[in-house]
Amino acid sequence: DAMVIQNPRYQVTQFGKPVTLSCSQTLNHNVMYWYQQKSSQAPKLLFHYYDKDFNNEADTPDNFQSRRPNTSFCFLDIRSPGLGDAAMYLCATSRDFNTQYFGPGTRLTVL
Amino acid sequence: QQQVKQSPQSLIVQKGGISIINCAYENTAFDYFPWYQQFPGKGPALLIAIRPDVSEKKEGRFTISFNKSAKQFSLHIMDSQPGDSATYFCAALTSGTYKYIFGTGTRLKVLA
Repeated sequence: DAMVIQNPRYQVTQFGKPVTLSCSQTLNHNVMYWYQQKSSQAPKLLFHYYDKDFNNEADTPDNFQSRRPNTSFCFLDIRSPGLGDAAMYLCATSRDFNTQYFGPGTRLTVL
Repeated sequence: QQQVKQSPQSLIVQKGGISIINCAYENTAFDYFPWYQQFPGKGPALLIAIRPDVSEKKEGRFTISFNKSAKQFSLHIMDSQPGDSATYFCAALTSGTYKYIFGTGTRLKVLA
């Protein structure tokens, strides 16, 4: 089945220790998104790639970076995680700017 | 203008009852309205979506009602089941743009 896959599902890191989350997709969608979702809140868009073009949301902290080495993969790098970065991180994909399909998420814990 | 207001924040329904969640928007440029279902610890899953050229869309027990003049849309879950217990998010999008505007979510609990 075509899908959006996120690894790992759970990630524990220490305060200030860099962490990388990964997303892959078999939908062959050209747009990939990263969202942050905190408890009982709606997902908050961090950035997206339209093909190779990177688009950062204005309020996304510099601490968050992303890479998209090819169509299928996208990475979220958190350079120096703080306690406030503990959240669920969701990857989503779409064909152009149509319906977004979400992955299962990575739950990040910062100790 | 860019907000989508969702209500109620939480909802408790008896098994077999009808669950109704409402969303309202201001931006008339929105032309795509999806509903997502999210279980704890999982990503949001697309449930059903509607465009403003129809007033209602039904898929199984799930129905979206859309009132263009009132700028409101709602999700109806018929014959609600305990397995429907989840958080539901409405969203709105303008075609050609990328940013979903999400509602604040409704936590639904269906009692057995």
